[in-house]
Parts: sequence; structure tokens; C-alpha cells
Amino acid sequence: KNEVEQSPQNLTAQEGEFITINCSYSVGISALHWLQQHPGGGIVSLFMLSSGKKKHGRLIATINIQEKHSSLHITASHPRDSAVYICAVTGNQFYFGTGTSLTVIP
Amino acid sequence: KAGVTQTPRYLIKTRGQQVTLSCSPISGHRSVSWYQQTPGQGLQFLFEYFSETQRNKGNFPGRFSGRQFSNSRSEMNVSTLELGDSALYLCASSLTGWGGANVLTFGAGSRLTVL
Repeated sequence: KNEVEQSPQNLTAQEGEFITINCSYSVGISALHWLQQHPGGGIVSLFMLSSGKKKHGRLIATINIQEKHSSLHITASHPRDSAVYICAVTGNQFYFGTGTSLTVIP
Repeated sequence: KAGVTQTPRYLIKTRGQQVTLSCSPISGHRSVSWYQQTPGQGLQFLFEYFSETQRNKGNFPGRFSGRQFSNSRSEMNVSTLELGDSALYLCASSLTGWGGANVLTFGAGSRLTVL
């Protein structure tokens, strides 16, 4: 049983497309994190959400606490957005999704 | 300001040995958490330390241990290494921990290979 489910697992997009990555969770949480991992391993925290919506540049993250669902949107995608995006939730434990591998083609 | 520093970046050990990894958090951050990443299991939480006390622990055997010093630097130790311990070990720091409203800052990781 996975406490955090992400979809899709893999995603290929053309440069400029609007991208959505979804995350559903089954446990009580205090916060939800969206992380980005480039080849080579380094992880960057993109957002931390406990409610509502946050925007940073071309990235938008939303969370619906009642439905236990979050989405990460990338507007006007660019090849440099190619990375693995990981959803994680914190509550009694720290649970990670398996990640969405995004490739943006020029 | 300096980021989260993990040492060593790469290391190779043999089965049965032990290993100690180090994590220096961002100045002022009092929480350090550790994670294991493998191709098969993905990212998994190991433990979190705050003000020298282990505050949360994941589902790993007792061979995995850690500690935090008064300057917030943290070490994790894996004893009696097994092949399956080969992984990227990441640490992250934050002001008061992931249970609160703090963003995590990750280090570059220590890649351990067990032969």
C-alpha cells in the first residue's frame, strides 16, 4: 500500500506545453511537498503546501485537503524543466511518491 | 549563505563494514533529516534530529543510526553493511523540522556502494 500516489509516472511534452502532475495521498498530513530532482541526484524543494495554492514563476501548486489531492502545474514548459518531480507528505511520518519523470522536448 | 554539505560524496565499502556519513546544515537550521534513495524503493525517510534529539524515525533496522551534535551537524552510521544498503543517502535541513511550516533544503547526497 502506497500512502502517496503520483500520476503519470512518465511524461513527455513539447516545449511550451502546459503540464500537470497529480498527487493523491491517503494519510493525515501537516504539509505536502513538491520536490524536483535532476539527473545526478540533487533535490530541490519547489513548494511546501498546507492549503490553497502557491505560485513561483512558471510553477503552480495546489492542494485540496478534503480530497487529499495536489497538483503541480508547469506553464510554458522548457527543456530545463526536464527532471523527476516527487510529491511527499509529512504527518506522523514522511512519505514519498515514486516520482514523475518529465522530459520536455525542444 | 552556504548550503547543506554532505561528506563524503562517494564511497565504496564491502559487506560487513560500517560507514559514517556527515551532514552540515545551513547555519541556524536546527533540524536535520536523513533519507535513503534506491532505484527499487525510491526515497525513504530514515530519521530526523532536532536539537540533538531524534524526533522521528522511519522503518529501518537498528543497523541504521544517527546523532546530532550541539552545532546541529549530524552523522548517520550504518553498521554491518549489506549489498542492499547501496544507495544515495540524502540529508536535508530546516529551521524547525518537516512537521512545521518549513521548507527543506537538501544536500547533494552521499552515494554509497557496497561490494
